[in-house]
Amino acid sequence: GDSVTQMEGPVTLSEEAFLTINCTYTATGYPSLFWYVQYPGEGLQLLLKATKADDKGSNKGFEATYRKETTSFHLEKGSVQVSDSAVYFCALSPNTGRRALTFGSGTRLQVQP
Amino acid sequence: DVKVTQSSRYLVKRTGEKVFLECVQDMDHENMFWYRQDPGLGLRLIYFSYDVKMKEKGDIPEGYSVSREKKERFSLILESASTNQTSMYLCASTSAQETQYFGPGTRLLVL
Repeated sequence: GDSVTQMEGPVTLSEEAFLTINCTYTATGYPSLFWYVQYPGEGLQLLLKATKADDKGSNKGFEATYRKETTSFHLEKGSVQVSDSAVYFCALSPNTGRRALTFGSGTRLQVQP
Repeated sequence: DVKVTQSSRYLVKRTGEKVFLECVQDMDHENMFWYRQDPGLGLRLIYFSYDVKMKEKGDIPEGYSVSREKKERFSLILESASTNQTSMYLCASTSAQETQYFGPGTRLLVL
């Protein structure tokens, strides 16, 4: 079945540091890929997505590129802020059949001033 | 602005009680989902529905049932709550290839 693996946290960074959160996936066919973010006490919000190979999703300074050859969708940001502290989830959705998301286990990011 | 609402943010129930969690979306989406979120496990799919009165089991349906009598409302039912059902429950909805939109979650504690 489909699966998503992302790096374990917590990841602790100083403000303005470079962020990478690794995500790899296993799926049949050509899934869509997502990064969701969960701020403390809230539900999940879509951060960015990519629907086909070599697509780059971007939002709020975050980026991720759909790499089919390495089955990866790593999240990056050039300069993190304290307000980016949250839990980040990588997820995939098959483009046929069941539309439910398969999630990774989540990575907690803590940004210190 | 899209909106998915859940009936409660926090619930405390006793073992053996019947528990109803309700989710309402205002986007006319066909597909609705219930997930549970546990530390280190991410989100796991309990049940989903792709139309009124239609439902399908997800990856962890044991101990749960669902009801979808109206398009906008999707209810999760714990027939007899147990302590291992203490968790955060998240509802989501989507239409076809669109993004899934999530509610704020219900944190359930079963004593």
